[in-house]
Amino acid sequence: DIQMTQSPSSLSVSVGDRVTITCRASQSISTYLNWYQQKPGKAPKLLIYATSSLQSGVPSRFSGSGSGTDFTLTISSLQPEDFATYYCQQSYNTPQTFGQGTKVEIK
Amino acid sequence: EVQLLESGGGLVQPGGSLRLSCAASGFTFSNYAMTWVRQPPGKGLEWVSTTSGDGGSTFYADSVKGRFTISRDNSKTTLYLRMNSLRPEDTAVYYCAKVVYSSGPKFDSWGQGTLVTVSS
Repeated sequence: DIQMTQSPSSLSVSVGDRVTITCRASQSISTYLNWYQQKPGKAPKLLIYATSSLQSGVPSRFSGSGSGTDFTLTISSLQPEDFATYYCQQSYNTPQTFGQGTKVEIK
Repeated sequence: EVQLLESGGGLVQPGGSLRLSCAASGFTFSNYAMTWVRQPPGKGLEWVSTTSGDGGSTFYADSVKGRFTISRDNSKTTLYLRMNSLRPEDTAVYYCAKVVYSSGPKFDSWGQGTLVTVSS
């Protein structure tokens, strides 16, 4: 199975900050990488698919980049509603494994 | 609007069985693969199983293979997960999600989840 490792596991930030979360795959996955946002007690929500394509309705402050084994989710200016846990997921093969999550908390 | 509503969770003893359902609406159900993803309390997400739109192809995580069975009834627009020989480590919130293939599969709509607790 492909292992997905996110860093950091958590970070404390302020509204307006630029946030960068990284995800590393244990082998090359081309650009088959999705990002999800999950708020407490809620289902995950798809933010970005295929590394850099923004899901419909997702604000443009979210962006993704990378290829091969190293990927990045960037939030250009953090808003109050962005405090959540973020997960990467490889869609290169089955099982479609997730990273362990990155919790974005209020500083 | 896509809606996915899971049901069937609850408390079950180790070794017991449970069937989860996911009622779908707002899209042409038979045109889409569907998947189950679970999340143990306070932990991350784990893909469990996926079925194709016609139910003819199914895929399972190694952790549930041979114990869980995914199925669907397209006439009722409902997805199922039959869970047998349940273990304490199967305790989790189980989500169903709609799968869209666009440069790889993406889970673009999710239900609210149903909690399964395996404990004596």
